[in-house]
Amino acid sequence: GESVGLHLPTLSVQEGDNSIINCAYSNSASDYFIWYKQESGKGPQFIIDIRSNMDKRQGQRVTVLLNKTVKHLSLQIAATQPGDSAVYFCAENKASGSRLTFGEGTQLTVNP
Amino acid sequence: EPEVTQTPSHQVTQMGQEVILRCVPISNHLYFYWYRQILGQKVEFLVSFYNNEISEKSEIFDDQFSVERPDGSNFTLKIRSTKLEDSAMYFCASSADRIQETQYFGPGTRLLVL
Repeated sequence: GESVGLHLPTLSVQEGDNSIINCAYSNSASDYFIWYKQESGKGPQFIIDIRSNMDKRQGQRVTVLLNKTVKHLSLQIAATQPGDSAVYFCAENKASGSRLTFGEGTQLTVNP
Repeated sequence: EPEVTQTPSHQVTQMGQEVILRCVPISNHLYFYWYRQILGQKVEFLVSFYNNEISEKSEIFDDQFSVERPDGSNFTLKIRSTKLEDSAMYFCASSADRIQETQYFGPGTRLLVL
């Protein structure tokens, strides 16, 4: 039978490679953006965030880039490890509101 | 490291029954949220709560849903009369502040309505 549900974009990389996960957001009023990692059966885990007055922010092995002109967000993971395998979601938030709006998610698979 | 906790981890119920999902937010946080995730889909916002009242809710959060902070630590989501389509993973989250503050998520409650 036909499967029901969202088909996630997938990214498969070799251990040690760098990964880039992309996200397009829709609301030009959004001014706070977050990347979450979700492992199977678990809740979203905060990775890194960025506010709209910045275009780049770095964390430990992760970098987020924000391009407000084209409403695009990316997450770069350096030296990807098998433990990085998960679904990655971007989320956006407006200063006037409290809700996070999540993107579609990307399934990252790291091959040893 | 402080974390959001949720109980139960799994709940199976019959259609039409009431369920209460429980959450203990991070202790110094002031804003609380419920989200849900239908299997294979993205996370969807349900409701946010501050100072003992709802501050924002989505179109999903209809009269069947209610939230409560019954004491100083717990935050609950009640579904009055469950429907098959309520089957999903329900996540609680909390943040120190509402304005551009990180929301930390609990591990979720998997609800299955039969």
